[in-house]
Amino acid sequence: DAGVTQSPTHLIKTRGQQVTLRCSPKSGHDTVSWYQQALGQGPQFIFQYYEEEERQRGNFPDRFSGHQFPNYSSELNVNALLLGDSALYLCASSWGQKETQYFGPGTRLLVL
Amino acid sequence: GEDVEQSLFLSVREGDSSVINCTYTDSSSTYLYWYKQEPGAGLQLLTYIFSNMDMKQDQRLTVLLNKKDKHLSLRIADTQTGDSAIYFCAERGSSASKIIFGSGTRLSIRP
Repeated sequence: DAGVTQSPTHLIKTRGQQVTLRCSPKSGHDTVSWYQQALGQGPQFIFQYYEEEERQRGNFPDRFSGHQFPNYSSELNVNALLLGDSALYLCASSWGQKETQYFGPGTRLLVL
Repeated sequence: GEDVEQSLFLSVREGDSSVINCTYTDSSSTYLYWYKQEPGAGLQLLTYIFSNMDMKQDQRLTVLLNKKDKHLSLRIADTQTGDSAIYFCAERGSSASKIIFGSGTRLSIRP
Protein backbone atom coordinates (compact mmCIF):
# COMPACT_ATOMS: atom_id res chain seq x y z
CA ASP A 1 0.00 0.00 0.00
CA ALA A 2 1.77 3.14 -1.24
CA GLY A 3 1.83 6.06 1.11
CA VAL A 4 1.75 9.70 0.07
CA THR A 5 4.24 10.42 -2.69
CA GLN A 6 5.61 13.76 -3.82
CA SER A 7 7.72 14.90 -6.74
CA PRO A 8 10.26 16.20 -7.27
CA THR A 9 12.27 15.62 -4.08
CA HIS A 10 14.43 18.70 -4.58
CA LEU A 11 14.16 21.76 -6.77
CA ILE A 12 16.24 24.89 -7.32
CA LYS A 13 14.66 27.98 -8.89
CA THR A 14 15.53 31.65 -9.21
CA ARG A 15 13.52 34.63 -8.04
CA GLY A 16 10.56 35.45 -10.27
CA GLN A 17 10.24 31.94 -11.69
CA GLN A 18 7.24 29.68 -11.30
CA VAL A 19 7.21 26.17 -9.83
CA THR A 20 4.81 23.21 -9.81
CA LEU A 21 4.95 20.53 -7.14
CA ARG A 22 3.03 17.27 -7.34
CA CYS A 23 1.42 14.96 -4.81
CA SER A 24 -0.27 11.57 -5.01
CA PRO A 25 -2.38 10.73 -1.97
CA LYS A 26 -2.33 7.53 0.00
CA SER A 27 -4.49 4.81 -1.52
CA GLY A 28 -8.13 5.29 -0.51
CA HIS A 29 -7.71 8.96 0.40
CA ASP A 30 -9.64 11.70 -1.38
CA THR A 31 -8.43 14.90 0.30
CA VAL A 32 -5.08 16.63 -0.11
CA SER A 33 -3.65 19.39 2.08
CA TRP A 34 -0.47 21.37 1.43
CA TYR A 35 1.88 22.80 4.05
CA GLN A 36 5.01 24.94 3.94
CA GLN A 37 7.75 24.22 6.45
CA ALA A 38 10.47 26.85 6.71
CA LEU A 39 13.78 25.85 8.25
CA GLY A 40 13.51 25.39 11.99
CA GLN A 41 9.75 25.86 12.10
CA GLY A 42 6.63 23.78 12.16
CA PRO A 43 4.55 23.30 9.01
CA GLN A 44 2.14 26.08 8.04
CA PHE A 45 -1.14 25.24 6.32
CA ILE A 46 -1.43 26.55 2.74
CA PHE A 47 -4.73 25.06 1.52
CA GLN A 48 -6.80 21.90 1.23
CA TYR A 49 -8.43 20.30 -1.81
CA TYR A 50 -11.46 18.07 -1.72
CA GLU A 51 -13.68 17.11 -4.65
CA GLU A 52 -11.37 19.09 -6.93
CA GLU A 53 -12.06 22.37 -5.14
CA GLU A 54 -10.09 24.46 -2.68
CA ARG A 55 -11.99 24.09 0.59
CA GLN A 56 -9.92 25.98 3.12
CA ARG A 57 -6.96 28.32 2.81
CA GLY A 58 -4.29 29.49 5.20
CA ASN A 59 -2.61 32.88 5.28
CA PHE A 60 -0.77 32.64 1.96
CA PRO A 61 -0.89 35.09 -0.98
CA ASP A 62 -2.58 34.38 -4.29
CA ARG A 63 0.81 33.49 -5.78
CA PHE A 64 0.12 30.11 -4.21
CA SER A 65 -2.48 28.15 -6.13
CA GLY A 66 -3.39 24.54 -6.57
CA HIS A 67 -5.38 21.96 -8.36
CA GLN A 68 -6.84 18.56 -7.63
CA PHE A 69 -7.42 16.01 -10.37
CA PRO A 70 -10.21 13.40 -10.66
CA ASN A 71 -7.81 10.71 -9.42
CA TYR A 72 -7.34 12.83 -6.23
CA SER A 73 -3.72 13.74 -7.00
CA SER A 74 -2.84 17.39 -6.58
CA GLU A 75 -0.48 20.13 -7.71
CA LEU A 76 0.80 23.17 -5.87
CA ASN A 77 1.84 26.11 -8.05
CA VAL A 78 3.84 29.07 -6.84
CA ASN A 79 4.27 32.09 -9.13
CA ALA A 80 6.78 34.95 -8.95
CA LEU A 81 9.02 33.09 -6.53
CA LEU A 82 10.63 35.01 -3.67
CA LEU A 83 13.69 34.06 -1.65
CA GLY A 84 11.37 33.55 1.31
CA ASP A 85 9.53 30.78 -0.53
CA SER A 86 12.52 28.51 0.09
CA ALA A 87 11.16 25.73 2.29
CA LEU A 88 10.08 22.12 2.52
CA TYR A 89 6.65 21.72 0.95
CA LEU A 90 4.65 18.92 2.47
CA CYS A 91 1.58 17.25 1.09
CA ALA A 92 -0.81 15.39 3.39
CA SER A 93 -3.73 13.19 2.46
CA SER A 94 -6.80 12.04 4.36
CA TRP A 95 -10.11 10.30 3.85
CA GLY A 96 -12.37 13.33 4.17
CA GLN A 97 -11.62 16.91 5.10
CA LYS A 98 -11.50 16.47 8.85
CA GLU A 99 -9.83 13.13 9.21
CA THR A 100 -6.29 12.29 10.25
CA GLN A 101 -3.70 13.53 7.77
CA TYR A 102 -0.74 11.44 6.60
CA PHE A 103 2.26 13.25 5.21
CA GLY A 104 4.54 12.64 2.27
CA PRO A 105 8.32 13.08 2.31
CA GLY A 106 8.13 16.63 0.98
CA THR A 107 9.70 18.64 -1.80
CA ARG A 108 12.60 20.85 -0.79
CA LEU A 109 12.52 24.09 -2.78
CA LEU A 110 15.46 26.46 -2.86
CA VAL A 111 14.97 29.89 -4.43
CA LEU A 112 18.17 31.74 -5.37
CA GLY B 1 -6.21 32.87 18.17
CA GLU B 2 -4.74 29.51 17.42
CA ASP B 3 -1.29 28.79 18.79
CA VAL B 4 0.70 25.74 19.83
CA GLU B 5 3.79 26.09 22.02
CA GLN B 6 6.56 23.59 22.70
CA SER B 7 10.01 23.75 24.24
CA LEU B 8 12.73 23.65 21.61
CA PHE B 9 15.12 21.05 22.99
CA LEU B 10 15.16 17.96 25.20
CA SER B 11 18.13 15.74 26.00
CA VAL B 12 17.71 12.37 27.71
CA ARG B 13 19.89 9.40 28.50
CA GLU B 14 19.35 6.23 26.49
CA GLY B 15 16.95 3.93 28.34
CA ASP B 16 15.30 6.75 30.31
CA SER B 17 11.82 8.11 29.64
CA SER B 18 11.37 11.24 27.57
CA VAL B 19 8.52 13.64 28.24
CA ILE B 20 7.73 16.29 25.64
CA ASN B 21 5.25 18.97 26.65
CA CYS B 22 2.96 21.18 24.62
CA THR B 23 0.35 23.84 25.29
CA TYR B 24 -2.32 25.05 22.91
CA THR B 25 -4.81 27.91 22.93
CA ASP B 26 -7.77 26.77 20.81
CA SER B 27 -10.44 25.57 23.22
CA SER B 28 -12.37 24.02 20.32
CA SER B 29 -9.53 21.62 19.51
CA THR B 30 -10.98 18.26 18.64
CA TYR B 31 -7.93 16.20 17.80
CA LEU B 32 -4.42 16.59 19.16
CA TYR B 33 -1.54 14.95 17.37
CA TRP B 34 2.09 14.03 17.79
CA TYR B 35 4.19 13.82 14.65
CA LYS B 36 7.85 12.78 14.36
CA GLN B 37 10.27 14.21 11.80
CA GLU B 38 13.68 12.70 11.18
CA PRO B 39 16.39 14.70 9.38
CA GLY B 40 15.53 15.36 5.75
CA ALA B 41 12.24 13.50 5.99
CA GLY B 42 8.52 14.25 6.06
CA LEU B 43 6.26 13.93 9.08
CA GLN B 44 5.35 10.57 10.55
CA LEU B 45 2.13 10.39 12.54
CA LEU B 46 2.99 8.85 15.90
CA THR B 47 -0.31 9.01 17.71
CA TYR B 48 -3.31 11.21 18.32
CA ILE B 49 -5.88 11.73 21.01
CA PHE B 50 -9.46 12.88 20.82
CA SER B 51 -10.31 15.81 23.05
CA ASN B 52 -12.73 13.83 25.22
CA MET B 53 -9.94 11.48 26.34
CA ASP B 54 -7.44 11.99 29.15
CA MET B 55 -4.87 9.42 28.18
CA LYS B 56 -3.89 7.13 25.35
CA GLN B 57 -1.21 4.45 25.43
CA ASP B 58 0.37 2.83 22.40
CA GLN B 59 3.33 0.55 23.11
CA ARG B 60 6.15 2.83 24.35
CA LEU B 61 4.12 5.99 23.82
CA THR B 62 1.77 7.56 26.36
CA VAL B 63 -0.20 10.71 25.60
CA LEU B 64 -1.71 12.72 28.44
CA LEU B 65 -4.25 15.49 27.85
CA ASN B 66 -5.28 18.10 30.41
CA LYS B 67 -8.06 19.88 28.59
CA LYS B 68 -8.67 22.37 31.39
CA ASP B 69 -5.07 23.63 31.19
CA LYS B 70 -4.83 22.98 27.42
CA HIS B 71 -1.71 20.90 28.05
CA LEU B 72 -0.61 17.85 26.09
CA SER B 73 2.36 15.62 26.76
CA LEU B 74 4.07 12.73 25.02
CA ARG B 75 6.00 10.21 27.09
CA ILE B 76 8.38 7.84 25.34
CA ALA B 77 9.41 4.94 27.56
CA ASP B 78 12.87 3.33 27.28
CA THR B 79 14.14 5.99 24.87
CA GLN B 80 16.42 4.62 22.15
CA THR B 81 18.85 6.28 19.73
CA GLY B 82 16.29 5.76 16.96
CA ASP B 83 13.96 8.12 18.81
CA SER B 84 16.27 11.05 17.99
CA ALA B 85 14.13 13.40 15.92
CA ILE B 86 11.99 16.52 16.07
CA TYR B 87 8.59 15.98 17.63
CA PHE B 88 5.68 18.21 16.63
CA CYS B 89 2.60 18.76 18.69
CA ALA B 90 -0.42 19.74 16.58
CA GLU B 91 -4.11 20.42 16.98
CA ARG B 92 -7.20 20.63 14.83
CA GLY B 93 -10.43 22.38 15.73
CA SER B 94 -13.83 20.79 15.22
CA SER B 95 -14.79 23.10 12.36
CA ALA B 96 -11.40 23.25 10.67
CA SER B 97 -9.61 21.10 8.18
CA LYS B 98 -6.19 22.56 8.81
CA ILE B 99 -3.76 21.33 11.44
CA ILE B 100 -1.90 23.89 13.55
CA PHE B 101 1.62 22.83 14.45
CA GLY B 102 4.03 23.86 17.16
CA SER B 103 7.64 24.69 16.31
CA GLY B 104 8.83 21.24 17.30
CA THR B 105 10.96 19.81 20.11
CA ARG B 106 14.33 18.38 19.13
CA LEU B 107 14.96 15.22 21.15
CA SER B 108 18.57 14.13 21.49
CA ILE B 109 19.71 10.92 23.15
CA ARG B 110 22.96 10.67 25.07
CA PRO B 111 24.66 7.36 25.84
